[in-house]
Amino acid sequence: EAGVAQSPRYKIIEKRQSVAFWCNPISGHATLYWYQQILGQGPKLLIQFQNNGVVDDSQLPKDRFSAERLKGVDSTLKIQPAKLEDSAVYLCASSSRGVGPSETQYFGPGTRLLVL
Amino acid sequence: GENVEQHPSTLSVQEGDSAVIKCTYSDSASNYFPWYKQELGKGPQLIIDIRSNVGEKKDQRIAVTLNKTAKHFSLHITETQPEDSAVYFCAAGYFNNDMRFGAGTRLTVKP
Repeated sequence: EAGVAQSPRYKIIEKRQSVAFWCNPISGHATLYWYQQILGQGPKLLIQFQNNGVVDDSQLPKDRFSAERLKGVDSTLKIQPAKLEDSAVYLCASSSRGVGPSETQYFGPGTRLLVL
Repeated sequence: GENVEQHPSTLSVQEGDSAVIKCTYSDSASNYFPWYKQELGKGPQLIIDIRSNVGEKKDQRIAVTLNKTAKHFSLHITETQPEDSAVYFCAAGYFNNDMRFGAGTRLTVKP
């Protein structure tokens, strides 16, 4: 079974530029998560999708971050405009259900973003 | 919202010794407590989890204990091996939603 795929793996941009990350979850997984992991910290949930609907985006900085999962499969996370403090690893995870009994979240390798 | 604290931030043990990592959480509604292992350049990988209706769970060399009254849970690794070296994260959430992670523990197992 293929794991969670993310691209690009690395991205370097200047502040105020825009950037987008892509995630392809494990086939058949209904729930998709985006996390931000700043160096030396644990992952912080940004947004959770159930199929193509948003379950939780309470920690997403909506003035600059946006995410979509139009067909309930792939997802993109966008930052516009980027700030220096957005430098982090952006992790995508998926689980088969995610709502109700605990389900394992499977993480992708992440996209490492450096904002200069 | 939930707040998870994890200790220690770094832990160094000799191969064959045991390692213990402790976490506390704040939200009494949390009922799911997974532990993840993250190796350099990779995403976190689930190694064990426990639900609030269970006090202890074991899987070979790894065990987790949960004290709901005190709101803390711990990861125990016995007979450590060099390949156990990684960063370990605890997390707490309501089922699998609104998961909050600890800051991580960097475990080094010296051969």
